[in-house]
Amino acid sequence: EAGVTQSPTHLIKTRGQQATLRCSPISGHTSVYWYQQALGLGLQFLLWYDEGEERNRGNFPPRFSGRQFPNYSSELNVNALELEDSALYLCASSDWTSGHNEQFFGPGTRLTVL
Amino acid sequence: GDSVTQMEGPVTLSEEAFLTINCTYTATGYPSLFWYVQYPGEGLQLLLKATKADDKGSNKGFEATYRKETTSFHLEKGSVQVSDSAVYFCALSDPGGGADGLTFGKGTHLIIQP
Repeated sequence: EAGVTQSPTHLIKTRGQQATLRCSPISGHTSVYWYQQALGLGLQFLLWYDEGEERNRGNFPPRFSGRQFPNYSSELNVNALELEDSALYLCASSDWTSGHNEQFFGPGTRLTVL
Repeated sequence: GDSVTQMEGPVTLSEEAFLTINCTYTATGYPSLFWYVQYPGEGLQLLLKATKADDKGSNKGFEATYRKETTSFHLEKGSVQVSDSAVYFCALSDPGGGADGLTFGKGTHLIIQP
């Protein structure tokens, strides 16, 4: 069974630009979570999508947004990039209806903002 | 809000030594508890989980027991190998099923020397 996939592996942008990151969940999983892993800040919850809807977001500004498509894949958009957005962005999928929220992670997208 | 506290390290051990990585948590209700491992340049892999008090999760020689009375989920392994060198994250999921994503500790960097 294929795991969670993310693309691209690496992304280099300059300040003010927009970045788009993509994630495909495990087959059968309807929930997608996005996390930011920035140096020194640990793993922080960004967004949760389920059944095509944004269900919750973490403590991040509105320029972090995204969507979930009918096939449950997801896209994270970061507008007006700032230097501190440089981080590893991890996507996870879950069959949260199990009640335990066991999440399976992709390899991540390394975003570098110059 | 929910929180997870774990020793950050680095923790340096010799091969075949006994490993303990402490993890304590603060949460309302009965969260699910997880240990994830991150190898250099990769995403997170689920190592083990426990979903109710006194449950013991185990995988690849690693074990952790959900202790409600001490709000702890310490990770142990009887004999570590060089290949166990990685960063280990303790995490919890709120009892509601995951609306806030997983809450992670800051990670413990483990180095095993031959």
